[in-house]
Amino acid sequence: SQTIHQWPATLVQPVGSPLSLECTVEGTSNPNLYWYRQAAGRGLQLLFYSVGIGQISSEVPQNLSASRPQDRQFILSSKKLLLSDSGFYLCAWSVIADEQFFGPGTRLTVL
Amino acid sequence: AQTVTQSQPEMSVQEAETVTLSCTYDTSESDYYLFWYKQPPSRQMILVIRQEAYKQQNATENRFSVNFQKAAKSFSLKISDSQLGDAAMYFCAYRTSPNTGNQFYFGTGTSLTVIP
Repeated sequence: SQTIHQWPATLVQPVGSPLSLECTVEGTSNPNLYWYRQAAGRGLQLLFYSVGIGQISSEVPQNLSASRPQDRQFILSSKKLLLSDSGFYLCAWSVIADEQFFGPGTRLTVL
Repeated sequence: AQTVTQSQPEMSVQEAETVTLSCTYDTSESDYYLFWYKQPPSRQMILVIRQEAYKQQNATENRFSVNFQKAAKSFSLKISDSQLGDAAMYFCAYRTSPNTGNQFYFGTGTSLTVIP
């Protein structure tokens, strides 16, 4: 069966510090991968999606970036965090003609 | 780009009663997929039900059913015999055709409260 992991589960970082959130998927090959951000009490904002290794599409230009160094690994990064980067970050995967499966999420607080 | 609209930020229902959550979407595609996801306080996103646009029959999953009106671009979720565990944020989602990128679009969510 397929599983999706995200870490860390919780992160508190100072403004201006770097960020690296990791997402890995098991039990499937060549998935589409997605990063979402969810502000408190709000909907999902798509940040990045990837259809293959090294292929990243950005939906919202900002100080975040994403990389896909391996087929089932998706990394969200920032060189300098802003206060507005606080939120709940969700990684998800899907294959053709199927729903998205979500990871447990990372709660990021920028102070 | 496709848009998904959930016009009810909050809804409440008495335990054991029925509630309907609304969702409309805007698209020019004929082949797409629609989903309802549930996000309980744990914040884990859980798939509730899915509907393929080419299917005329409304999807059902136990107490959950949809009213899919393709011409009206409406996709409402009906929860029957509501239970306390149904309390959560519910998101409507639209998935584009595989031919156009496998993009997902989410509504802003409806917070459902179940009253004992």
